[in-house]
Amino acid sequence: KAGVTQTPRYLIKTRGQQVTLSCSPISGHRSVSWYQQTPGQGLQFLFEYFSETQRNKGNFPGRFSGRQFSNSRSEMNVSTLELGDSALYLCASSFPQSGSYEQYFGPGTRLTVT
Amino acid sequence: DQQVKQNSPSLSVQEGRISILNCDYTNSMFDYFLWYKKYPAEGPTFLISISSIKDKNEDGRFTVFLNKSAKHLSLHIVPSQPGDSAVYFCAASDVDGGSQGNLIFGKGTKLSVKP
Repeated sequence: KAGVTQTPRYLIKTRGQQVTLSCSPISGHRSVSWYQQTPGQGLQFLFEYFSETQRNKGNFPGRFSGRQFSNSRSEMNVSTLELGDSALYLCASSFPQSGSYEQYFGPGTRLTVT
Repeated sequence: DQQVKQNSPSLSVQEGRISILNCDYTNSMFDYFLWYKKYPAEGPTFLISISSIKDKNEDGRFTVFLNKSAKHLSLHIVPSQPGDSAVYFCAASDVDGGSQGNLIFGKGTKLSVKP
């Protein structure tokens, strides 16, 4: 099976702009979670989508939003970018319907805000 | 307040010896624990997991031990190989509470295995 894919891999944006990142889960996986990784804070949970519904949300401002489509692909959007949003954004998929809770990560999107 | 702590930022081990990576947690609601390995510029790779109903889980060279009363888990790698050199993250979730999609990560331990 193909793994989790994320596009784009690298992105440079200017403060105040908005950005959309995309994630395609492993085939058959219906849960997609998003994480932000920064050197200071480590890996932090943003939100989780399951069957097109947001099921869990982390402690991030409303500028961070996401959605999931009927084919389980997911997007996350960050509006009004700030310098502190520079990070590696990781998406992970899982197949919780099977009783398995392991999450499988994509390679990430490296966002740089200037 | 960190709910998952990896107190050793780095660990150096000789090839062929045992690597022991430790992790402590504070939230007693956590019932599922995972270890991930990460290389620079890549996403974390799942290694092994353990449910709170068990105290040990083994997969090849990797064994995870869980001590619920101490809120402590450890990952043993035997024998260690140079290719194991990476950052290792411990993660936990509250599956029974419906938060299986929300993994809480430690800050990681950088393992160096020297030939």
